[in-house]
Amino acid sequence: LAKTTQPISMDSYEGQEVNITCSHNNIATNDYITWYQQFPSQGPRFIIQGYKTKVTNEVASLFIPADRKSSTLSLPRVSLSDTAVYYCLVVWGNKLVFGAGTILRVKS
Amino acid sequence: DTEVTQTPKHLVMGMTNKKSLKCEQHMGHRAMYWYKQKAKKPPELMFVYSYEKLSINESVPSRFSPECPNSSLLNLHLHALQPEDSALYLCASSQGGGGDRGFGETQYFGPGTRLLVL
Repeated sequence: LAKTTQPISMDSYEGQEVNITCSHNNIATNDYITWYQQFPSQGPRFIIQGYKTKVTNEVASLFIPADRKSSTLSLPRVSLSDTAVYYCLVVWGNKLVFGAGTILRVKS
Repeated sequence: DTEVTQTPKHLVMGMTNKKSLKCEQHMGHRAMYWYKQKAKKPPELMFVYSYEKLSINESVPSRFSPECPNSSLLNLHLHALQPEDSALYLCASSQGGGGDRGFGETQYFGPGTRLLVL
């Protein structure tokens, strides 16, 4: 059964680095891992996508170990505006499965 | 234009009404998606269209009827809904229609339609 697991919530302070992990034990060989950010009453917004090792863009990094059973989204120096829900999305064949989401609260 | 638009933003309907949700994108994307999202829950996939053909139907009740008139438009026709169908309905699109990533490509989401069924 395709399933992802994420922490329910995390708290951080402005300027800190935040790491959110998603576990996906049964991910298939060819499937990518994608992370989305969602603010209240808005659609999810793409953050980053990766297949293995490390991917970095202007807003985040994604670390994927060799066994690919988990992935970690890293947000450097968060600000108050990063308060949102973060979802990992894994595709198993034609099954698109979002994780339950992690509520990140950034405090000043 | 990297935007997915959805209309209406809000919709209130009775259980005997027929209404439609509309989604539009002009990015040349060949896959379009409908999701349902309940409060404090992740989006749940309902339908996927690939090259204007229905590719995935996640066992959605027949009171929801999708339609893809052309590659830029996606509709969701609603009829005889139940109060438990009240939710945020999200549309998304992605560039390819599958390919070697299946449907794992980056999806661009619209702002959603907030539906209330009375």
